Amino acid sequence: QQKVQQSPESLIVPEGGMASLNCTFSDRNSQYFWWYRQHSGEGPKALMSIFSNGDKKEGRFTAHLNKASLYVSLHIKDSQPSDSALYFCAVSKGGSGNKLIFGTGTLLSVKP
Amino acid sequence: NAGVIQTPRHKVTGKGQEATLWCEPISGHSAVFWYRQTIVQGLEFLTYFRNQAPIDDSGMPKERFSAQMPNQSHSTLKIQSTQPQDSAVYLCASSRDTGNTLYFGEGSRLIVV
Repeated sequence: QQKVQQSPESLIVPEGGMASLNCTFSDRNSQYFWWYRQHSGEGPKALMSIFSNGDKKEGRFTAHLNKASLYVSLHIKDSQPSDSALYFCAVSKGGSGNKLIFGTGTLLSVKP
Repeated sequence: NAGVIQTPRHKVTGKGQEATLWCEPISGHSAVFWYRQTIVQGLEFLTYFRNQAPIDDSGMPKERFSAQMPNQSHSTLKIQSTQPQDSAVYLCASSRDTGNTLYFGEGSRLIVV
């Protein structure tokens, strides 16, 4: 059974600072990885996906994947108060008919 | 594009009563997923459908929970004999196909008293 753990549980960064979120997964057959963000009272929304080892940058967000180390991370540069939310990494094994397993979540607060 | 629509947004039900939650996926999306979110357990997978067929219900509590997708425009999650531990936000999501990005609704908050 896939286990997806995130750290830290919560994180406070100053406005303009860098936020670093970590995620480990247990199934070596995992192929596809997403980061989702959830603001209070809303459903999660996809931020970005990463499928290959290495870094992927989208604007202020950079995801890093190391499948051999069972590790994926998200870095948010120049954090804004609007980035304050619950962040989830999500993992699937791919192939037809495969579900997305979500991590435990990291609550990010960006202080003005 | 209206997004995934879930109704009701809030439901309070007495212990032992039945609760039915509805989901309208994004038009053209072939996969529909149900998740449950609580503070303690986080986001738990319940079940999903592809082209209306049930594919994986491994997350569903076996005895009281059931999900249906009678047509491509809606899915229901039914909980019989609700218990306080069923209190949670139930989230529906759809995607163009499995393996693609999930688009979530705003959720249905169920409170069992």
